[in-house]
Amino acid sequence: GAGVSQSPRYKVAKRGQDVALRCDPISGHVSLFWYQQALGQGPEFLTYFQNEAQLDKSGLPSDRFFAERPEGSVSTLKIQRTQQEDSAVYLCASSLPVAGGQFFGPGTRLTVL
Amino acid sequence: DAKTTQPNSMESNEEEPVHLPCNHSTISGTDYIHWYRQLPSQGPEYVIHGLTSNVNNRMASLAIAEDRKSSTLILHRATLRDAAVYYCILRGPLNTNAGKSTFGDGTTLTVKP
Repeated sequence: GAGVSQSPRYKVAKRGQDVALRCDPISGHVSLFWYQQALGQGPEFLTYFQNEAQLDKSGLPSDRFFAERPEGSVSTLKIQRTQQEDSAVYLCASSLPVAGGQFFGPGTRLTVL
Repeated sequence: DAKTTQPNSMESNEEEPVHLPCNHSTISGTDYIHWYRQLPSQGPEYVIHGLTSNVNNRMASLAIAEDRKSSTLILHRATLRDAAVYYCILRGPLNTNAGKSTFGDGTTLTVKP
């Protein structure tokens, strides 16, 4: 596709449920990023990949959050035992290597009840 | 992490130039300066980036101070569609573990007709 796509666009989960959020980056983009954005705030870095290697996961808020990109293309962000504070928009972005700008997807809005 | 400082808000009149400032006094030699903007309910949109020299593209110009401790995003003729939150971020090379991007709260630009 022409841009970064994310699915689902909206997800409602009951507290304690596991969720998986998918990101399809722009074809050929080596770098992939995940961010969490709360209402009225800027995006907060979660993690990023260079191909299949996860180079920085320092932003993942707890061990309930896990991201993977096994073949260096599609990535999945998994949140286990969701809590209400996990409610946010989860943004994915991809980029060409080294210095390129990041191109963002539309985000997945997660609501935990 | 190297941080950036931006004014919370700015106003501009339609069809006039807009200069959005950003301070980044702790920038390292390998940090790139990136600008993004975000409209309500959308993912951030890449605007421009640079390292040392001033940069121009179809959306905007980026003026970087000689000491690289500040930069200015220039919109040459503001339109109503330019009303958004503008983020200035620093980012290291993506083929290292320095590719983390830290977004602040950005500058909310209001364009008056």
